Amino acid sequence: AQSVSQHNHHVILSEAASLELGCNYSYGGTVNLFWYVQYPGQHLQLLLKYFSGDPLVKGIKGFEAEFIKSKFSFNLRKPSVQWSDTAEYFCAVNADNQGGKLIFGQGTELSVKP
Amino acid sequence: EAGVAQSPRYKIIEKRQSVAFWCNPISGHATLYWYQQILGQGPKLLIQFQNNGVVDDSQLPKDRFSAERLKGVDSTLKIQPAKLEDSAVYLCASSLGPGGYNEQFFGPGTRLTVL
Repeated sequence: AQSVSQHNHHVILSEAASLELGCNYSYGGTVNLFWYVQYPGQHLQLLLKYFSGDPLVKGIKGFEAEFIKSKFSFNLRKPSVQWSDTAEYFCAVNADNQGGKLIFGQGTELSVKP
Repeated sequence: EAGVAQSPRYKIIEKRQSVAFWCNPISGHATLYWYQQILGQGPKLLIQFQNNGVVDDSQLPKDRFSAERLKGVDSTLKIQPAKLEDSAVYLCASSLGPGGYNEQFFGPGTRLTVL
């Protein structure tokens, strides 16, 4: 069965620090990859997505992610975090034979100290 | 553009009681999803509808959970009878179409507590 693993449950950073959140998935076929973010008190929203092409994708608010097929990874990065980036981040995978079904990782809570 | 609407936002019930959740997707979105998010975990798909037909309900506990989307718009998810382990946030999402290329838009969720 497909699965998604996020390495960190809780990350604490100071403002201006660089961020990298790990995400690995298990599926040998073609995948679509997503990062979702949930700010405190708000609903899940899409941060960025990868379908094909350039493995380095850019999303909203200065976030980017790199798809490394050989490592089954899709890590999220941001060069300099802000206090407003405090949120929970979810990696999700859609397999090519699964319609629209998203399989989510367990989430990483990011706390940014001002 | 209005987002995905869900109600109620919070519900507290005792075990063995029944409960129903309602979802109104974004206008024009043919595909509707219900996810269950248990505390500390990511959302897990329960059921996917394409218009009023079920596409995937492989992870829906059918002995106690049911869902319908009779007119291809609004949807309800019911639990009867509820168990303690059903305590979770129930998320509704919608998209234009069924494939992974279609962005899913999530509602605010219904937080269910089963005592």
